[in-house]
Amino acid sequence: SQKIEQNSEALNIQEGKTATLTCNYTNYSPAYLQWYRQDPGRGPVFLLLIRENEKEKRKERLKVTFDTTLKQSLFHITASQPADSATYLCALEEGSNYQLIWGAGTKLIIKP
Amino acid sequence: NAGVTQTPKFQVLKTGQSMTLQCAQDMNHNSMYWYRQDPGMGLRLIYYSASEGTTDKGEVPNGYNVSRLNKREFSLRLESAAPSQTSVYFCASNEGLVVKETQYFGPGTRLLVL
Repeated sequence: SQKIEQNSEALNIQEGKTATLTCNYTNYSPAYLQWYRQDPGRGPVFLLLIRENEKEKRKERLKVTFDTTLKQSLFHITASQPADSATYLCALEEGSNYQLIWGAGTKLIIKP
Repeated sequence: NAGVTQTPKFQVLKTGQSMTLQCAQDMNHNSMYWYRQDPGMGLRLIYYSASEGTTDKGEVPNGYNVSRLNKREFSLRLESAAPSQTSVYFCASNEGLVVKETQYFGPGTRLLVL
């Protein structure tokens, strides 16, 4: 069955540094992958979508890469700020079942 | 524009009780979804409605029923609550008929079943 893995341990980063989060998947070749942000007590909020034919996508301080050979997506936040502290979820489309498959998320903590 | 709204925000039930979680969106979206989120696990799809008048099972439909009341509203019913249904429930929507597009989420309903 399809499986998505995100680092379950919280990632602690010093303010101003680049935070890099990883999303690995197995047993599938998704046409695209999405990243969402989730704050405590709130629903996920969409950040970026990257398609299989796109190696990299950028939005302001955010950058996502998608390596279909490694079956991995990396999510980068440059010049990180304490306000970037949240849990980040990746999700990939699941073929004919019309479902998104979600990772459990990685908690990011940016320390001042 | 309120986006996706959910009621109630919190609920405590006893085993065997029933309840309905309400969801509404004001973005004129065609597709709506119900997920549950448990600690250490990804969001899991319970049911979805690709368009008004249709509903389909997701990954974990057992113990739940849904109703797409109209284009705006999509409710989730627990007929006989069980402790295993303790979770945070999220409703989401998106505009197209393609389920896999960007989804917009509500604030969630936190349910505790004793």
